[in-house]
Amino acid sequence: NAGVTQTPKFQVLKTGQSMTLQCAQDMNHEYMSWYRQDPGMGLRLIHYSVGAGITDQGEVPNGYNVSRSTTEDFPLRLLSAAPSQTSVYFCASSWGGRDSEQFFGPGTRLTVL
Amino acid sequence: AQTVTQSQPEMSVQEAETVTLSCTYDTSENNYYLFWYKQPPSRQMILVIRQEAYKQQNATENRFSVNFQKAAKSFSLKISDSQLGDTAMYFCAFMKQNTGTASKLTFGTGTRLQVTL
Repeated sequence: NAGVTQTPKFQVLKTGQSMTLQCAQDMNHEYMSWYRQDPGMGLRLIHYSVGAGITDQGEVPNGYNVSRSTTEDFPLRLLSAAPSQTSVYFCASSWGGRDSEQFFGPGTRLTVL
Repeated sequence: AQTVTQSQPEMSVQEAETVTLSCTYDTSENNYYLFWYKQPPSRQMILVIRQEAYKQQNATENRFSVNFQKAAKSFSLKISDSQLGDTAMYFCAFMKQNTGTASKLTFGTGTRLQVTL
């Protein structure tokens, strides 16, 4: 049982490049989320999903796309990277409902030059 | 919208002493969860303790306890017998208790705790 995994751990991009941050969980959780963490700002919700085929925007969705074709995977796509997207990105998953603990992945540190 | 405020950017405590981290929140919801997460230098987010708003009894997990004051919208974390391994960033977080919102945590800006010898 690996929990929530994220790849890559580190990434450097040039402005305008695209990439996909991968997130997978093996706990059969319905709910998955992406957060970004910036200095002095805590974690902010980018996008989330309440099940396969269902996604919605969080607090800071601009510049990011998501899809949820399977229960296990929830990739985050940057279509045209900008320096403002330099951040640490966390994926999380949970059962939902009363058992509300979210399990976080180890994070991806992204630098956009 | 909910907001979570942590007014102490940094705190320091000596080993074996007790420290309290503050958190206040603003919401119009009546049913919700509150959490404290720990983020050590490894960057991993670790759940420390959870409180359900309908429960009047304060949650406790070993050396960690909370003081939940619903009317005052206050949710402080007390760490007793502090250990060097408690050195980390601590985040307070809020989540509404409704179907479909289980993915939506609102975080405070964090308190960096340093435990010293």
